[in-house]
Amino acid sequence: QVQLLQSGAEVKSPGASVKVSCKASGYTFTVHYIHWVRQAPGQGPEWMGWINPNTGGTNYAQKFEDRVTMTRDSSITTAYMELSRLRSDDTALYYCARDQDAYDPYFDYWGQGSLVTVSS
Amino acid sequence: DIQMTQSPSTLSASVGDRVSITCRASQSISTWLAWYQQKPGKAPKILIYKASSLESGVPSRFSGSGSGTEFTLTISGLQPDDFATYYCQQYDDYPYTFGQGTKLEIK
Repeated sequence: QVQLLQSGAEVKSPGASVKVSCKASGYTFTVHYIHWVRQAPGQGPEWMGWINPNTGGTNYAQKFEDRVTMTRDSSITTAYMELSRLRSDDTALYYCARDQDAYDPYFDYWGQGSLVTVSS
Repeated sequence: DIQMTQSPSTLSASVGDRVSITCRASQSISTWLAWYQQKPGKAPKILIYKASSLESGVPSRFSGSGSGTEFTLTISGLQPDDFATYYCQQYDDYPYTFGQGTKLEIK
């Protein structure tokens, strides 16, 4: 069965970077884009961008363009999201999600979420 | 960015009720709209895609309708497991955007 297993919770200081991983299993990793979505406490989800695991190509939301880097290691079917220059308002649950396909890219499977807390 | 506005923000209902949640887009998104259900501490779960298509495994009491800028999620015959928060999401244009959510509470 399809699974996206994310790395654990992180506590970071303002100005630091965080790297969250998303291990995919149960399907062909290179076929489906991986998206990253974050959700601050009590807020709706916020889309950050996607990575094409086949080519490594990326598309970032303009809001995060200068601070986010999405990568992948296809040999271990894992995607990564690194966010730099962290601020207190980056405190959120970070999810990876798979899109169903390029023609109808809704999110059909999600990871369990990785809590990132930014605090001095 | 396309703004997604859901109403109501909170909805109180009883088991067996029929309820509807509305989602409005700030510009036309054709039918590129998904509905998700989220329970506390869990990731969102897909219910409806392309405005009205039911995801495999989702009970048929969930249905979606609409196109352009106005969309509706309807739950017919509420079950105890349905009390959760619901989000709409447009995937017509980048950045993909979500509504602020509708919390469905037990009356």
